[in-house]
Amino acid sequence: GQQLNQSPQSMFIQEGEDVSMNCTSSSIFNTWLWYKQDPGEGPVLLIALYKAGELTSNGRLTAQFGITRKDSFLNISASIPSDVGIYFCAGDYGSGNTGKLIFGQGTTLQVKP
Amino acid sequence: DVKVTQSSRYLVKRTGEKVFLECVQDMDHENMFWYRQDPGLGLRLIYFSYDVKMKEKGDIPEGYSVSREKKERFSLILESASTNQTSMYLCASSTYYTRGGLTDTQYFGPGTRLTVL
Repeated sequence: GQQLNQSPQSMFIQEGEDVSMNCTSSSIFNTWLWYKQDPGEGPVLLIALYKAGELTSNGRLTAQFGITRKDSFLNISASIPSDVGIYFCAGDYGSGNTGKLIFGQGTTLQVKP
Repeated sequence: DVKVTQSSRYLVKRTGEKVFLECVQDMDHENMFWYRQDPGLGLRLIYFSYDVKMKEKGDIPEGYSVSREKKERFSLILESASTNQTSMYLCASSTYYTRGGLTDTQYFGPGTRLTVL
């Protein structure tokens, strides 16, 4: 099936540092979503992007829908210990009314206090 | 708030057993999904359903089947559990119609960690 390439696979940073992760695809996507999964829980939506070039913020998080529609990035500013978790990008390439998404492999973030 | 619930958080089964994982959503969503999550592989789609009694295979359907008899409930069935089906199973739901045809957010349940011995 289709795949997204998400990088980096893991990050270990100091509290207060900024974080950046991205996803790329060989296909054009209509929607990009970023999720966070806390340990032992299901993923929760952070940011949704619906237009090429769109830049959206949610608190310390900022995400952009790439102008080529084949990539997206997520930035976290001034990281804190509760940012720990797995971050997933997901995209919709136009699956009709099924709502089917393609997920990246995830970026595992660890924050050292 | 959308709520997606899964019948068990942890499950231990023996090889060859038939296993049922249940998922219920309370937002009248049309679409429901079953994924499995393994380290380094992200979320892989097993099956999805876009309407009652409708189902389609995802990327890794082998060894699994599904049932959707009611809109709010989507069941994943392991006909004969094997050790390579030990994994975290995640259910999700979404609606298609709130954004004029653009895919809407998938809402996830808390997951079922299945161990097959």
